[in-house]
Amino acid sequence: EPEVTQTPSHQVTQMGQEVILRCVPISNHLYFYWYRQILGQKVEFLVSFYNNEISEKSEIFDDQFSVERPDGSNFTLKIRSTKLEDSAMYFCASRGSGTGGRETQYFGPGTRLLVL
Amino acid sequence: GQNIDQPTEMTATEGAIVQINCTYQTSGFNGLFWYQQHAGEAPTFLSYNVLDGLEEKGRFSSFLSRSKGYSYLLLKELQMKDSASYLCAVSYSGAGSYQLTFGKGTKLSVIP
Repeated sequence: EPEVTQTPSHQVTQMGQEVILRCVPISNHLYFYWYRQILGQKVEFLVSFYNNEISEKSEIFDDQFSVERPDGSNFTLKIRSTKLEDSAMYFCASRGSGTGGRETQYFGPGTRLLVL
Repeated sequence: GQNIDQPTEMTATEGAIVQINCTYQTSGFNGLFWYQQHAGEAPTFLSYNVLDGLEEKGRFSSFLSRSKGYSYLLLKELQMKDSASYLCAVSYSGAGSYQLTFGKGTKLSVIP
């Protein structure tokens, strides 16, 4: 069964450093998402990506964040200068091309980011 | 904005039935999803409702009332492995990206 994959599973970084989180969405999916979950809190939407551009972003997704689809398979989230409060689990998700809300979003296993 | 409410914690006995409620306020409502999340893992899809009524899938059922902004997830014949958080999420049709807005999740503990 196809699945979303993410690398790395864990990342530890120093405050102010840049990190890139990588995702490989399900191959025939067209909508891609990044969510984050701070420990003990709810899953929060960061950004959605469709047709090689950002289609929507939340207030969390400020200028320190960027997304890219550098090739036909990878989807990346970059945090330019990490802050302590960026420590969280970051989930990538993808969904098919169906219109309406029926298409399910499938989540990757997540990258646990720890900023020291 | 969207406000999704669900109980923080519930406890139920193995073999029993448990109902987890979710209420939501949303404009552009485009469907409601239930996900299961074990600690430290990704959310996994359980069910989807967009029309009023009950959707049944094995031991799991989900109900939606759009007029009341209300849904519930029903788990039957509880097993110890059902101990997890259950996340209610609403699909929002904003710019057509259908991103999900999640509730805080209900942590279910199944006891022998």
